[in-house]
Amino acid sequence: DIQMTQSPSTLSASVGDRVTITCRASQSISSWLAWYQQKPGKAPSCLIYKASTLETGVPSRFSGSGSGTEFTLTISSLQPDDFATYYCQHYNGYPITFGQGTRLQIK
Amino acid sequence: EVQLVDSGGDLAHPGGSLRLSCAASGFTFSSYWMSWVRQAPGKGLEWVANINQDGSGKYYVDSVKGRFTISRDNAKNSLYLQMNSLRAEDTAVYYCARIDNSHSGWFDRWGQGTLVTVSS
Repeated sequence: DIQMTQSPSTLSASVGDRVTITCRASQSISSWLAWYQQKPGKAPSCLIYKASTLETGVPSRFSGSGSGTEFTLTISSLQPDDFATYYCQHYNGYPITFGQGTRLQIK
Repeated sequence: EVQLVDSGGDLAHPGGSLRLSCAASGFTFSSYWMSWVRQAPGKGLEWVANINQDGSGKYYVDSVKGRFTISRDNAKNSLYLQMNSLRAEDTAVYYCARIDNSHSGWFDRWGQGTLVTVSS
């Protein structure tokens, strides 16, 4: 199985900051990676797919990059609505697996 | 508007059974692969199962193989998860999710989730 490891597990930042979350795959997954945002008590929603493609309706301050085994999600200027938990997910075969999550909290 | 409405979650005893449902609307259900994803309380996301458009292809995470069955009824625009031999570790919020229209494997729409609690 492909293991997905996110870092950091928790990130404290302020409105306006630029933040980066990293996701590493235990083997190459090409660009078959998605990023999700989840707020407490709500279902996840997709931000980025195919490593760097912004899902429709997602603000342009979100961006994704990487290929192979290392990927990043960057938020260029944090907004109050961005404080949430973020997950990466690979879809390079079965089983599909998620990273353990990165909780982005207000500093 | 695309909508996925999950239902059927409840309290079940270890060894018991439950059937979850997901009612889809606002898109051509029969054209999409569908999935179940779960989240244990306070934990991360875990993919459970996928099913292709006509139900002929089904894929499961190892921990539920032989116990859970994913199915669909395209005439009723509905997705199901039959859960047998339930264990305490199956306690989670279960989400149905739609797989993207190129069938590559990311989830572009999610239901609101339904809570399954397995406890004696």
